[in-house]
Amino acid sequence: EAGVAQSPRYKIIEKRQSVAFWCNPISGHATLYWYQQILGQGPKLLIQFQNNGVVDDSQLPKDRFSAERLKGVDSTLKIQPAKLEDSAVYLCASSETGSYNEQFFGPGTRLTVL
Amino acid sequence: GDSVTQMEGPVTLSEEAFLTINCTYTATGYPSLFWYVQYPGEGLQLLLKATKADDKGSNKGFEATYRKETTSFHLEKGSVQVSDSAVYFCALSSNYGGSQGNLIFGKGTKLSVKP
Repeated sequence: EAGVAQSPRYKIIEKRQSVAFWCNPISGHATLYWYQQILGQGPKLLIQFQNNGVVDDSQLPKDRFSAERLKGVDSTLKIQPAKLEDSAVYLCASSETGSYNEQFFGPGTRLTVL
Repeated sequence: GDSVTQMEGPVTLSEEAFLTINCTYTATGYPSLFWYVQYPGEGLQLLLKATKADDKGSNKGFEATYRKETTSFHLEKGSVQVSDSAVYFCALSSNYGGSQGNLIFGKGTKLSVKP
């Protein structure tokens, strides 16, 4: 079974530029999560989707971050404009419907903002 | 709000030593508890979990018991190997309300095992 796919794996941009990350969850997983992991810290949830609807985006900085999940499958996370403090690893995870407790993580995208 | 506190690292042990990584939590209600592991160059993987008080999760020789009275979920292994070198994250998932399913992580503990 294929795992959660993410791209790109690495991205370097300058502050005030925009960037987008892509995630393809495990086939059949209705729930998709985006986490931000700053160096030396644990992952922090940014947004949770159930199919193509948002369940929780309370920690998403909506002035610069946006996310969508078209057709309830793939998802993109965008930052515009980026700030230095956005440098982090962005993790995508997915889980089955009703199986809220077991999440499968992708390899992450490491973003460096200069 | 809900939170997880785990012991600071890094932790360095010799092969075959006993491992304990402490984890305590603060949560409303009865969360599910997890240990995730991140091996060098790899993504986060679920190591073990427990969904109710007194449950013991176990996998690959690692164990952790859900202790409601002490709000703890300490990770233990009787004899570590070099291949156990990784970063270990304790996490909880609330089982109620709109935040159901969201994982709240500790800061992680880096373990290095020397031969």
